[in-house]
Amino acid sequence: AQKITQTQPGMFVQEKEAVTLDCTYDTSDPSYGLFWYKQPSSGEMIFLIYQGSYDQQNATEGRYSLNFQKARKSANLVISASQLGDSAMYFCAMRPPGYSSASKIIFGSGTRLSIRP
Amino acid sequence: DVKVTQSSRYLVKRTGEKVFLECVQDMDHENMFWYRQDPGLGLRLIYFSYDVKMKEKGDIPEGYSVSREKKERFSLILESASTNQTSMYLCASVGGHLPENQPQHFGDGTRLSIL
Repeated sequence: AQKITQTQPGMFVQEKEAVTLDCTYDTSDPSYGLFWYKQPSSGEMIFLIYQGSYDQQNATEGRYSLNFQKARKSANLVISASQLGDSAMYFCAMRPPGYSSASKIIFGSGTRLSIRP
Repeated sequence: DVKVTQSSRYLVKRTGEKVFLECVQDMDHENMFWYRQDPGLGLRLIYFSYDVKMKEKGDIPEGYSVSREKKERFSLILESASTNQTSMYLCASVGGHLPENQPQHFGDGTRLSIL
């Protein structure tokens, strides 16, 4: 069965430092997609970045990049130059194949990131 | 921008009541989803719908039902609310039949308390 694991329940990071949020996944399928979402205390889920399993390069979106290591089945989110506004819950998620018509995705348990001034 | 609107941010109901949570999206998306979010468990899929009047069970459908009479609206129904259904409920939508890199778009969530 497909599964997403986020082993860091919480992290504290000093402002302006880079931070890496860990995500490992388990699937036997060769085709899948990986997403990261941010959830501030207000509750809305904000899409950050996407990585396809066949993408040759690591995805980047502004200060966010995805360290995709397919053989290790890891998809860590890297936030460069962290800001106070980065304090939030972060969820890693996977879209396995076979559900493309309805686009189901599986979420990890999340990591709560707190940025210290 | 995609807009997914949930009818209530906060809701307090009593045990045994029938509870309706409404979700509306404005982007003509085929697929809509209801999740519940609990600390340490992430988001768990309750039900989803890939077309009007179509619905499929997710991972935790027990105690819930859904309704999709119009494409833009997806309702979650707690038939007889219980205290273990106190949670954050999130609605999401995404369009197309093969939206491989399309993210789901979420509403702001409803924090439901069952007393």
